[in-house]
Amino acid sequence: DIQMTQSPSSLSASVGDKVTITCRASQSITTYLNWYKQEPGKAPNLLIYGASTLQSGVPSRFSGSGSGTDFTLTISGLQPEDFATYYCQQSYITDSTTFGPGTKIDIK
Amino acid sequence: EVQLLESGGGLVQPGGSLRLSCAASGFTFSSHAMNWVRQAPGKGLEWVSAISHFGDFIYYADSVRGRFTISRDNSKNTLYLQMNSLRAEDMAVYYCVRVLPSSNPGGRGYYYASWGQGTLVTVSS
Repeated sequence: DIQMTQSPSSLSASVGDKVTITCRASQSITTYLNWYKQEPGKAPNLLIYGASTLQSGVPSRFSGSGSGTDFTLTISGLQPEDFATYYCQQSYITDSTTFGPGTKIDIK
Repeated sequence: EVQLLESGGGLVQPGGSLRLSCAASGFTFSSHAMNWVRQAPGKGLEWVSAISHFGDFIYYADSVRGRFTISRDNSKNTLYLQMNSLRAEDMAVYYCVRVLPSSNPGGRGYYYASWGQGTLVTVSS
């Protein structure tokens, strides 16, 4: 199985801040990496797939990069609605998938 | 508009059974693989099971294999999850998800573009 880790597990930030979350895979997954956002009490929402492709309708302040084992999600100019938990997911393995443990962004 | 509506959750005793359903609309259901993902209270996301668009390929997480059965009825646009021998650790919100892209069935690079609202399964005596 491919293990996914994220850092930090949580962070405090202010509106307007630039925030970067890191996701690491236990083996190379090339660019088969997705990012999701989950607000409390709601289902997750796809932000980025293929490591860097922005899902339709997602604001351009979100960006993703990386390949191999190391990936980042960047939010440039944090907005009030961005305070949520973010998960990465590997889609390299075709008969299963794994998510990272999540990174919670809260208000400083 | 894509809609996924789960139902069938509720309170069940350890060892009991439940059948979850997911009614899909707004897209060609038979063209997409579908998955179940769960989230225990206060925890992260855990993949549970996957089924190909015609139901000929099925996969399970080790934690549920032998106890859960995924199926689909493309004539009814509905996905199912039969859960038997339920344990306390199965307690979670269960989400039905649509897999994209449909153009590369079974391939790498899939993603979950659509999620249902979730249905809560509580396992307790």
